[in-house]
Amino acid sequence: DVKVTQSSRYLVKRTGEKVFLECVQDMDHENMFWYRQDPGLGLRLIYFSYDVKMKEKGDIPEGYSVSREKKERFSLILESASTNQTSMYLCASSFPGQSSYEQYFGPGTRLTVT
Amino acid sequence: KNQVEQSPQSLIILEGKNCTLQCNYTVSPFSNLRWYKQDTGRGPVSLTIMTFSENTKSNGRYTATLDADTKQSSLHITASQLSDSASYICVVSGDGAGNNRKLIWGLGTSLAVNP
Repeated sequence: DVKVTQSSRYLVKRTGEKVFLECVQDMDHENMFWYRQDPGLGLRLIYFSYDVKMKEKGDIPEGYSVSREKKERFSLILESASTNQTSMYLCASSFPGQSSYEQYFGPGTRLTVT
Repeated sequence: KNQVEQSPQSLIILEGKNCTLQCNYTVSPFSNLRWYKQDTGRGPVSLTIMTFSENTKSNGRYTATLDADTKQSSLHITASQLSDSASYICVVSGDGAGNNRKLIWGLGTSLAVNP
């Protein structure tokens, strides 16, 4: 059974703090993703990684960075958290190419920045 | 502009009844269309994935249809159960090479199944 886990279900941080969100998958997937989900806006891609140490900006990368030092782990970093980064953060993973249609999501981290 | 529009925005039905959710898209090029179920406070779970050549696909009580000519898809839920209460999201991929890099997400239909 594919499993994508995220380090926290709920997180409360103060404005200006550095925040780390971690994601781990156990399916040996090459591709990993970070999305945020906001009411009325749907899921938006923040960053995408297609291999260890490889990353690509998504649609809304501003204010975020990522790290992928190991294949199974993909971290999202908020360098200086702001209130407009309060959101639900979802991690996902998949195989590359034509096998990538099946995308597996973690349970999400609801981040509140006060 | 690439867009995925879903209707209705929300729906309430009684347990045991059937319902159909709609998805219209203007994504080009088109690679595949997916339906996801997302329970409140959880990540989306894939229900069906259809490529250009497929016009229907089932997963238990869920049946998705695709009309690539009119760029419409529907998700039919048969004999609804309380556990079907969730948001159903239509997603279209415009990336034939895969990698899920160019997914266009709909806003979802919120379904409530009442006893």
